[in-house]
Amino acid sequence: DVQMTQSPSSLSASVGDRVTITCQASQDINNYLNWYQQKPGKAPNLLIYDASNLKTGVPSRFSGSGSGTDFTFTISSLQPEDIATYFCQQYENLPFTFGPGTNVDIK
Amino acid sequence: QVQLQESGPGLVKPSQTLSLTCTVSGGSISSGSYYWSWIRQPAGKGLEWIGRIYTSGSTNYNPSLKSRVTISIDTSKNQFSLKLSSVTAADTAVYFCARTDRGSNFDSWGKGTLVTVSS
Repeated sequence: DVQMTQSPSSLSASVGDRVTITCQASQDINNYLNWYQQKPGKAPNLLIYDASNLKTGVPSRFSGSGSGTDFTFTISSLQPEDIATYFCQQYENLPFTFGPGTNVDIK
Repeated sequence: QVQLQESGPGLVKPSQTLSLTCTVSGGSISSGSYYWSWIRQPAGKGLEWIGRIYTSGSTNYNPSLKSRVTISIDTSKNQFSLKLSSVTAADTAVYFCARTDRGSNFDSWGKGTLVTVSS
């Protein structure tokens, strides 16, 4: 299985701050990476697919980049409604695997 | 807009079979080139993909669960289902069903249902 790691595991930032999360795959996954947002008690919500493509309707403050084994997810200006856990997911190989998640909180 | 809803027992005894159904509304389960997946999440933990099914009935399972999992689809009822046999406490989790775009992107999810394995 492709192992996914994320850092940091949690972060606290102020409203308006730029927030960056990294995701690393245990092998080359090209750009076959998605990012999800999960708010407490809710199902995850797909934000970005193919590492850098924003899903329709997702605010433009969210972005993703990377290829191969190293990926980055960025919130350009953190908003109160962005409090959530963010997961990366690879789909280069079955089984699909997820990162452990990054909890984002407001300072 | 498509909506998904999981249903099934919230409590299952150890060694028995967990059975869940996902009902799709707002669109036909047979339309488009979608797969349909099950994903689970133990409390306070990460996400684990269980498996997926195509409208043709073709399936893929996570090898870690493959010997115990069966996913099926009933297009006449717009539903797909999960069976997980020989459950233990380690199978206690919130179970989500999800529409799977391009076979890999979970773009619509049910709200999730908590299944507890306990005697």
